[in-house]
Amino acid sequence: DAGVTQSPTHLIKTRGQQVTLRCSPKSGHDTVSWYQQALGQGPQFIFQYYEEEERQRGNFPDRFSGHQFPNYSSELNVNALLLGDSALYLCASSSTGGYQPQHFGDGTRLSIL
Amino acid sequence: AQSVTQLGSHVSVSEGALVLLRCNYSSSVPPYLFWYVQYPNQGLQLLLKYTSAATLVKGINGFEAEFKKSETSFHLTKPSAHMSDAAEYFCAVSDRGEGAQKLVFGQGTRLTINP
Repeated sequence: DAGVTQSPTHLIKTRGQQVTLRCSPKSGHDTVSWYQQALGQGPQFIFQYYEEEERQRGNFPDRFSGHQFPNYSSELNVNALLLGDSALYLCASSSTGGYQPQHFGDGTRLSIL
Repeated sequence: AQSVTQLGSHVSVSEGALVLLRCNYSSSVPPYLFWYVQYPNQGLQLLLKYTSAATLVKGINGFEAEFKKSETSFHLTKPSAHMSDAAEYFCAVSDRGEGAQKLVFGQGTRLTINP
C-alpha cells in the first residue's frame, strides 16, 4: 500500500518563475493538505482540498494556489517566486471518516536562486 | 487562535536514559493533539495522537504522551532512549470538527542521543 507520494523531490528555480508541485494521496484518502517548512522551522499550513475545492486556507498570499483532481491527487502552484519561498513543501492526506490523522509525504525541496 | 510551544529546541540524552520532550498548547477548547517525528530528508511520521479517549496515549517505537488539560500540556516520553531515536520531533494541535482540520505545529525539538 503506497503512502503519500510527492514529485519532484528537488527543484531549483529563479526569482520570478512559477513552479508546480504534485502529490498523490495515500490509498483511501480523499483530503489533501499542503504545508511549507522553512529550514529549522515547523511546518506552516498553506491550504487544504476536499472534493476538488479549497476548504481551508492558511496565511499565504494568492501567489500560492492549488488544485485537486477527481482521483484526489493535488497540485500546488506558486507564481512569481521569491527567495523566501525556498523551503520543503509537504503534502499530507487523510480521510474524512471520523477524525483521522494526516499522513505526510517526503516533501519537495524547493530552492530559489 | 491555536498555538503550540515546544520547550527546548535541542534536547540531548544518553542512550538508555529517559526522553522527555515538552509541549504546551493554547486552545479555547480541548483540541486534538499529535506528535510527529522527522528524520533527515524525510517527511513527518505520526508517533501518536490524542483525540478524546484515554489521557495517556501510547504510540509507536515505545513513545507515549499524557494529555493534561489543567496544565494544557502534552509531553512526550520514552523510558529508555535508543540511538535510532535521534531526530526532530514536532508537537501539533488541530481543532475538533467535521473532516480533517489544519495542523498547527510547534517549532520542533531536535533530539540527540549520546552513546
